[in-house]
Amino acid sequence: AQSVAQPEDQVNVAEGNPLTVKCTYSVSGNPYLFWYVQYPNRGLQFLLKYITGDNLVKGSYGFEAEFNKSQTSFHLKKPSALVSDSALYFCAVRVSTGANNLFFGTGTRLTVIP
Amino acid sequence: EPEVTQTPSHQVTQMGQEVILRCVPISNHLYFYWYRQILGQKVEFLVSFYNNEISEKSEIFDDQFSVERPDGSNFTLKIRSTKLEDSAMYFCASSLGLAGGRGTDTQYFGPGTRLTVL
Repeated sequence: AQSVAQPEDQVNVAEGNPLTVKCTYSVSGNPYLFWYVQYPNRGLQFLLKYITGDNLVKGSYGFEAEFNKSQTSFHLKKPSALVSDSALYFCAVRVSTGANNLFFGTGTRLTVIP
Repeated sequence: EPEVTQTPSHQVTQMGQEVILRCVPISNHLYFYWYRQILGQKVEFLVSFYNNEISEKSEIFDDQFSVERPDGSNFTLKIRSTKLEDSAMYFCASSLGLAGGRGTDTQYFGPGTRLTVL
């Protein structure tokens, strides 16, 4: 069975500091990993994905994520946080040979403090 | 940039009533999905749809639910007889359909419809 864990419900970071939002996954097979962001009253916006190749993937708004197979992790990072990054972040996984549907984590609320 | 749109943004209904949630996927996308998010819980997959038929569905998607693509642009989710526990945010998503819609496809989500069942 596929599952995603986001161990932190809430992450607070000062503006300008680096941020990390953690995600670990469990799949039976090769994972395809995704990060989405949800702003208030908006849908889920795609940030980035890992399919294959370079373990460090870069996405929208300066975000990047590192795929670590041995630790089954896909943490989201940004070198310098902006107040406008404050939102709810979801990690999701699907299996390369499995169904289309995404399995989501419970989400992490990021607050960037001015 | 093309977006998935959903209407209405908020639907209030009485228990036992039928509701239809509407979505307009991105125009050249071939795969369509419905997910839901009960308040405070994770986003859960309901159903995927391709070539005018359901390709996958979850245990949540029971006989009370149905999906339809009535024309070339709309994709609907019908709940026949709503229950209190159907109250949730319902998200529609679409993907291009590369490689049969599997693996590398990115799913793009709409803003959601908040369904409140009283």
